[in-house]
Amino acid sequence: DVKVTQSSRYLVKRTGEKVFLECVQDMDHENMFWYRQDPGLGLRLIYFSYDVKMKEKGDIPEGYSVSREKKERFSLILESASTNQTSMYLCASSTTGAPSGYTFGSGTRLTVV
Amino acid sequence: EDQVTQSPEALRLQEGESSSLNCSYTVSGLRGLFWYRQDPGKGPEFLFTLYSAGEEKEKERLKATLTKKESFLHITAPKPEDSATYLCAVSGTASKLTFGTGTRLQVTL
Repeated sequence: DVKVTQSSRYLVKRTGEKVFLECVQDMDHENMFWYRQDPGLGLRLIYFSYDVKMKEKGDIPEGYSVSREKKERFSLILESASTNQTSMYLCASSTTGAPSGYTFGSGTRLTVV
Repeated sequence: EDQVTQSPEALRLQEGESSSLNCSYTVSGLRGLFWYRQDPGKGPEFLFTLYSAGEEKEKERLKATLTKKESFLHITAPKPEDSATYLCAVSGTASKLTFGTGTRLQVTL
């Protein structure tokens, strides 16, 4: 069964910490995405990548960075975590070409205290 | 800027009571409209892709339709296991998905 795997289901971090969220896909997908999901705001795109070493800013990139050193792995980095970054973080992947559904991971519930 | 609006925000149905969820959208150059199901604490699960006005897709008790301005997700004779949040998203010329905020569906016995 094809999968997008996020390394942690739940994380609690302190304000000011550097936080790494890891995502791995086993479908050889070119495209990978990081979203955050908040009640009433829906899914908002943070960063995405169409290829290894490539990254593009989404709608809310401030306070975040990403890394894609290998095709199957896309990492989201919170440089200095703040309480307003408490959220559900979702990673997704997709193929290039005709529009296709994204495959999502199970999500990481991050709490910054 | 692509926009997606879903209504209602929440819907409570009795088992067997059919209804429809609405997704209104504005997008430059629609490449696809997507429906997802999301259970609490989990990632969205892909249901359908619709590409052009007039297209319909079905899966069990769900049927998705598309016009030039909106999409409907029809739920026929729902069961409690259909309870979830249903998300709509569009892909435009930017090739990214823009999501609505979802409709939270609860089906009771």
